[in-house]
Amino acid sequence: KQEVTQIPAALSVPEGENLVLNCSFTDSAIYNLQWFRQDPGKGLTSLLLIQSSQREQTSGRLNASLDKSSGRSTLYIAASQPGDSATYLCAASDSGGYQKVTFGTGTKLQVIP
Amino acid sequence: DADVTQTPRNRITKTGKRIMLECSQTKGHDRMYWYRQDPGLGLRLIYYSFDVKDINKGEISDGYSVSRQAQAKFSLSLESAIPNQTALYFCATSALTGTGELFFGEGSRLTVL
Repeated sequence: KQEVTQIPAALSVPEGENLVLNCSFTDSAIYNLQWFRQDPGKGLTSLLLIQSSQREQTSGRLNASLDKSSGRSTLYIAASQPGDSATYLCAASDSGGYQKVTFGTGTKLQVIP
Repeated sequence: DADVTQTPRNRITKTGKRIMLECSQTKGHDRMYWYRQDPGLGLRLIYYSFDVKDINKGEISDGYSVSRQAQAKFSLSLESAIPNQTALYFCATSALTGTGELFFGEGSRLTVL
């Protein structure tokens, strides 16, 4: 059974700092890994998706990497801004026909002005 | 307008009442999902549907039922609501083929008194 862990559960950084959020998963046979952002009381917004054959994806100040052999993915946020404050979740999709998705519990990020 | 729309966004009800949460999408996706989110537990899958005639139970389907009225519509029902069904409920969609990227609605916050 896939397990997805995100540590730390909460992180507070000063504005302008570069930061890395971590996601680990137990079963390396994944179809994809997706990073989401969730604002309080809101839905999940897809940030980046890395397919199993890829090593990284970039969008603006965000870069996500995937290392299946070690069961790890990281989300790098460059030059953090107060507007980046949110909870970030990762989700691993398995390679079966249903592509079952297992979510981590998220890292709550606060960027202090 | 949002690609995945959930109604109602907030609902307070009493124990024993029947509740229906509705989801509609304009993304043209075949796959639709219902998740619930509880603090500290992450998102858990309730039901999923790959097309109008294909509905499957997820990991926590007890106490819930669903209906796929059309490709674009997927509703979740609580036949007799109980307090531990108080949660944030999300509808999500994905394409039948491709990357498997999930797209979420804004969520429906349900409180059962």
